[in-house]
Amino acid sequence: QVQLVQSGAEVKKPGSSVKVSCKASGGSFSRHALSWVRQAPGQGLEWMGAIIPVFGRTQYTQKSQGRLTITTEESTSTAYMELSGLRPDDTAIYYCARGGAYGDYGEYDFWGQGTLVTVSP
Amino acid sequence: SSELTQDPAVSVALGQTAKITCQGDSLRSYYATWYQQKPGQAPVLVFSANNNRPSGIPDRFSGSKSGTTAVLTIAGARAEDEADYYCNSRDTSGDPVIFGGGTKLTVL
Repeated sequence: QVQLVQSGAEVKKPGSSVKVSCKASGGSFSRHALSWVRQAPGQGLEWMGAIIPVFGRTQYTQKSQGRLTITTEESTSTAYMELSGLRPDDTAIYYCARGGAYGDYGEYDFWGQGTLVTVSP
Repeated sequence: SSELTQDPAVSVALGQTAKITCQGDSLRSYYATWYQQKPGQAPVLVFSANNNRPSGIPDRFSGSKSGTTAVLTIAGARAEDEADYYCNSRDTSGDPVIFGGGTKLTVL
């Protein structure tokens, strides 16, 4: 059974950066897309970006391009999401989710437990 | 970029059939995937774009599509089906993956 375990909650100042980790166990880490989805308080889900570890290929939303970096460390089956230039409206729960084999088709069968990132002066 | 539109709220009587819709131009080319999210929990995949229901998801959950509208049908709704439901799909204009705004299902 695939498990995705994320790092703990973070409190950050505006303008700083945050890096959230997502460690996978079970299944094949390299072949599947690993995506990041966030949810602001009381709001819906927002796809932010994805990486396919075996190709090292990333995709980001137009909105997050330039501020978001998704990387992986295959030796530890861990993915990272780093968001820079934080603003109060980046306050959200950030989820990692496993996508399809060799591509992100929007179908996520396993999710991390979520990491709350709070951006406050 | 494209959008997926969902009704903010749907209610259904216990044991009746609930239909949750998702509309968008991207559905002309792609199927929708559906997720259930209960308060304080991560989303759960309940019906996938290739018409598969993941193991452990009851067969009362099903999906369909016609034109630019996808529908998640919950037959014989139970109290435990009360949750937020989100659709998503691939997109070719703008961002690669888009989510609908979500529908809050209330089981009366």
